[in-house]
Amino acid sequence: EDQVTQSPEALRLQEGESSSLNCSYTVSGLRGLFWYRQDPGKGPEFLFTLYSAGEEKEKERLKATLTKKESFLHITAPKPEDSATYLCAVPNGGGGADGLTFGKGTHLIIQP
Amino acid sequence: SAVISQKPSRDICQRGTSLTIQCQVDSQVTMMFWYRQQPGQSLTLIATANQGSEATYESGFVIDKFPISRPNLTFSTLTVSNMSPEDSSIYLCSVAGIIYNEQFFGPGTRLTVL
Repeated sequence: EDQVTQSPEALRLQEGESSSLNCSYTVSGLRGLFWYRQDPGKGPEFLFTLYSAGEEKEKERLKATLTKKESFLHITAPKPEDSATYLCAVPNGGGGADGLTFGKGTHLIIQP
Repeated sequence: SAVISQKPSRDICQRGTSLTIQCQVDSQVTMMFWYRQQPGQSLTLIATANQGSEATYESGFVIDKFPISRPNLTFSTLTVSNMSPEDSSIYLCSVAGIIYNEQFFGPGTRLTVL
């Protein structure tokens, strides 16, 4: 069974204090790893897709990286508006366009 | 990415009743998905809805409890039947994007069952 584990569960940083969020996965044949941001009371907002080990993608202060066993979401010099829950997910097995299995998320708080 | 809307945005219902949630997309999509997010938890896939075929349900979810319709390529409904307080959750629909397996989510329907 595919599993996705995120750590830490919660993280509180000062504005400008860089850090990384971890997503460990066990899947039988990775067909993409996805990062989302979710604000309270809203649906998840798509951030990145990573497909192969060594791949990196960036968007503003966020950079996502992928190895064969885990992915990191690096946050550089964060601002209070980066506060949110960050979710990672992998496609369920079976081929075709599949539903996603999500981790429990990291609740990130950036203090001014 | 597609623009997705859901109705209602929130509702408070009595136990034993049913609620139908609508999901509308601004473009034609093949695959639509329904998820549940229980309080303080992450998202769990309920079912996959293809236009023109029966929905495919994940383990732990059954059609009698969560019937789904998919009448065309831009619309789907999820009904939560015979509700109990344990059904209090946020229900989200999503659609697959152009790039394989990427999904985009609606704003969610917050359901409270008393």
